Amino acid sequence: EDQVTQSPEALRLQEGESSSLNCSYTVSGLRGLFWYRQDPGKGPEFLFTLYSAGEEKEKERLKATLTKKESFLHITAPKPEDSATYLCAVQAGYSSASKIIFGSGTRLSIRP
Amino acid sequence: NAGVMQNPRHLVRRRGQEARLRCSPMKGHSHVYWYRQLPEEGLKFMVYLQKENIIDESGMPKERFSAEFPKEGPSILRIQQVVRGDSAAYFCASSPPILTSGRNEQFFGPGTRLTVL
Repeated sequence: EDQVTQSPEALRLQEGESSSLNCSYTVSGLRGLFWYRQDPGKGPEFLFTLYSAGEEKEKERLKATLTKKESFLHITAPKPEDSATYLCAVQAGYSSASKIIFGSGTRLSIRP
Repeated sequence: NAGVMQNPRHLVRRRGQEARLRCSPMKGHSHVYWYRQLPEEGLKFMVYLQKENIIDESGMPKERFSAEFPKEGPSILRIQQVVRGDSAAYFCASSPPILTSGRNEQFFGPGTRLTVL
């Protein structure tokens, strides 16, 4: 069964303290791995898509990497406005468009 | 370019009533997905639709729930005879045609928060 596991469930950092969020996955036929950010009371906001092992993408203080079994979201020198829940999701199977399977998310809190 | 639009943003229903949730995809997007998020839980896939077709409804409860995406107008998620356990945030997402865009990211709307009294 396709599965996505995120760790830790919650992470509290001091402003400027870099860290990484983990996303482990087991899927048959990975078509893409996605990272989203979700603020309370809002819909998920798209951040990155990764398609193959070794791929990396960056946006401001965030960098996403992908291996055959997991993805990391590295956050460098975070600011309080980076506080949110970060969701990892995978699209699997052999159809060009199909459902996304989400992990439970990591709640990130950045203290000033 | 307007994003995915959902309405209403908040919906309150009493047990036994019907709930209708609407989703207008981003311009140029032909794929619509519905997800449910229970408090303190992750997003769960419900159904994937293209215009006038249900492609994958494997996450949809067998009873009381239905979805459509007509040729004209928004996609509708319909819940009949709502129960307290249906209280959740319902999110719609859309994606562009893969063959023309080469992209398969899904972009989410702000959600409809359903409360069943």
